[in-house]
Amino acid sequence: NAGVTQTPKFQVLKTGQSMTLQCAQDMNHEYMSWYRQDPGMGLRLIHYSVGAGITDQGEVPNGYNVSRSTTEDFPLRLLSAAPSQTSVYFCASRTLNTGELFFGEGSRLTVL
Amino acid sequence: DAKTTQPPSMDCAEGRAANLPCNHSTISGNEYVYWYRQIHSQGPQYIIHGLKNNETNEMASLIITEDRKSSTLILPHATLRDTAVYYCIVRASPGGTSYGKLTFGQGTILTVHP
Repeated sequence: NAGVTQTPKFQVLKTGQSMTLQCAQDMNHEYMSWYRQDPGMGLRLIHYSVGAGITDQGEVPNGYNVSRSTTEDFPLRLLSAAPSQTSVYFCASRTLNTGELFFGEGSRLTVL
Repeated sequence: DAKTTQPPSMDCAEGRAANLPCNHSTISGNEYVYWYRQIHSQGPQYIIHGLKNNETNEMASLIITEDRKSSTLILPHATLRDTAVYYCIVRASPGGTSYGKLTFGQGTILTVHP
């Protein structure tokens, strides 16, 4: 089982550039989410989805867009990157009935 | 979801039990206590969860007080590989309109010494 797969693992952007962080899971989980983690801090929820076609905002959604066209994929889009978005991003998934989140390995993003 | 309070850091000797406390005094009757840990820059890993009763699995034990206002995660024989940040999270039961979002605080940095 691959679990939760994130790509890329590392990315450097210039301010104003756009990019998409990819997340895929093969566990048929309804719930998928994106967190960001800044140095010395816990994880903060950006966006989440409870199924294909359904997304909602978390604690820190500004500057990020998401969509959920399939059960397996939940991409995170940065339309115009800013240095404040330099962070490590984690994608996670679970079934709706449990709180056991399965996390990807993370994507480290640097915005210059 | 109820807020949790954890000490910022703790130390433990290798081979000893590590007891990590968590305060969740505003917990509601349908909210579960979850524990996760994050080992150096990796994605967090689920450890255990419980509602009222004490729970044990191959990784740890979870002791929840009778009034449910606090809990303790116990690693019975800590090893160097247990050095990590441990997060205590209170989550609404499945089926709620929040879909049981998990909010991570800053956790407890556990350092296991040789």
